[in-house]
Amino acid sequence: AQSVTQLGSHVSVSEGALVLLRCNYSSSVPPYLFWYVQYPNQGLQLLLKYTTGATLVKGINGFEAEFKKSETSFHLTKPSAHMSDAAEYFCAVSSRSFSGGYNKLIFGAGTRLAVHP
Amino acid sequence: GAVVSQHPSRVICKSGTSVKIECRSLDFQATTMFWYRQFPKKSLMLMATSNEGSKATYEQGVEKDKFLINHASLTLSTLTVTSAHPEDSSFYICSAAGSGRARSNEQFFGPGTRLTVL
Repeated sequence: AQSVTQLGSHVSVSEGALVLLRCNYSSSVPPYLFWYVQYPNQGLQLLLKYTTGATLVKGINGFEAEFKKSETSFHLTKPSAHMSDAAEYFCAVSSRSFSGGYNKLIFGAGTRLAVHP
Repeated sequence: GAVVSQHPSRVICKSGTSVKIECRSLDFQATTMFWYRQFPKKSLMLMATSNEGSKATYEQGVEKDKFLINHASLTLSTLTVTSAHPEDSSFYICSAAGSGRARSNEQFFGPGTRLTVL
């Protein structure tokens, strides 16, 4: 079974400060890992994903995340927060499908990021 | 590319009525669609997975007779909430994954539908 834990339901940073959103996963098979952002009353937008290859993944809007197998982590970072980054962030895990289909995403509880001036 | 739409974006209905929500992949063929439910300030809960032309697979605890899912074509899936009650009020989000993007292992999400049952 797979699961995701996001540490900290709320994170508050100053504009221009480092953003760090934590995500740990549990998976018995090599995971696929995702970070999504959700703005109020909207669907989810993919920020970045890790499937295979390079463990440091760069995404949109200046975000990046590093897959650390030894720590079972996939923390999301951004060097300098912007006011527009205020939103809900979800970490998710899936697994490779050998049948050619699509495996479901398991989401973490989410972290609400607040950015203050 | 990879746009998914949902209709309606908001719906208010009376208790006991049925509501249909549409999910469309606009620029790709979606072999698999997923339906999620999101409670206020909560994460997404997968309700069911549907593959085109076959019956949906429901997650444990989700009533299949309550939430009817039809995936009749490669671009359209519908979720019908039958005999809706106030506790069915929620934000429903669909996602789609397509044959042309099989190697990306990515789901593309719709904007969501806010259902309010009075």
